[in-house]
Amino acid sequence: KAGVTQTPRYLIKTRGQQVTLSCSPISGHRSVSWYQQTPGQGLQFLFEYFSETQRNKGNFPGRFSGRQFSNSRSEMNVSTLELGDSALYLCASSEGQVGSQPQHFGDGTRLSIL
Amino acid sequence: AQSVTQLDSQVPVFEEAPVELRCNYSSSVSVYLFWYVQYPNQGLQLLLKYLSGSTLVKGINGFEAEFNKSQTSFHLRKPSVHISDTAEYFCAVSVPLRNTDKLIFGTGTRLQVFP
Repeated sequence: KAGVTQTPRYLIKTRGQQVTLSCSPISGHRSVSWYQQTPGQGLQFLFEYFSETQRNKGNFPGRFSGRQFSNSRSEMNVSTLELGDSALYLCASSEGQVGSQPQHFGDGTRLSIL
Repeated sequence: AQSVTQLDSQVPVFEEAPVELRCNYSSSVSVYLFWYVQYPNQGLQLLLKYLSGSTLVKGINGFEAEFNKSQTSFHLRKPSVHISDTAEYFCAVSVPLRNTDKLIFGTGTRLQVFP
């Protein structure tokens, strides 16, 4: 089985732009979660989708949004980019049975804001 | 609310020595516990998990962890480390009674194995 695939792996943007990151979960997985990883704040939960519905949301501003498609693929969008948005963005998928099945992570998208 | 504390930000150790990475959590409800490893320029890989049952959990790559409910700890151990174990290790919890897979992570422990 292919693992979680995130594209692109690296991205460079400037302040004020917007960006869309993509995540393809493991085949059969219906739950997709997004995390932001920075040296200062560590790993922080952004949001979680299950069957195209947002199931949970972290404490991030409205500039951060996401969606999930009928094939379970997910995208996250960040608008009006700020320098502080520079981070590794990780996507994780699971079968969807809450908590009992571990999340499998992709290699992430490293976003750099100039 | 739940929180996870990893007391050691860095742990240096020589190859073939034993190692313990400490993790304590805080929660008013039962939680599931996980250890993940992150190698440079990669995502997180699950080492092991505790859901219920036996408090000693064995994982991949020779790692094991012990759940201690009274001390709210879930320390990770390996009897003999290799150079290839050099990585960042994260302890995490999730809350099974809530409708979410959300993981709450500790700040990580960097394991550095020296020859």
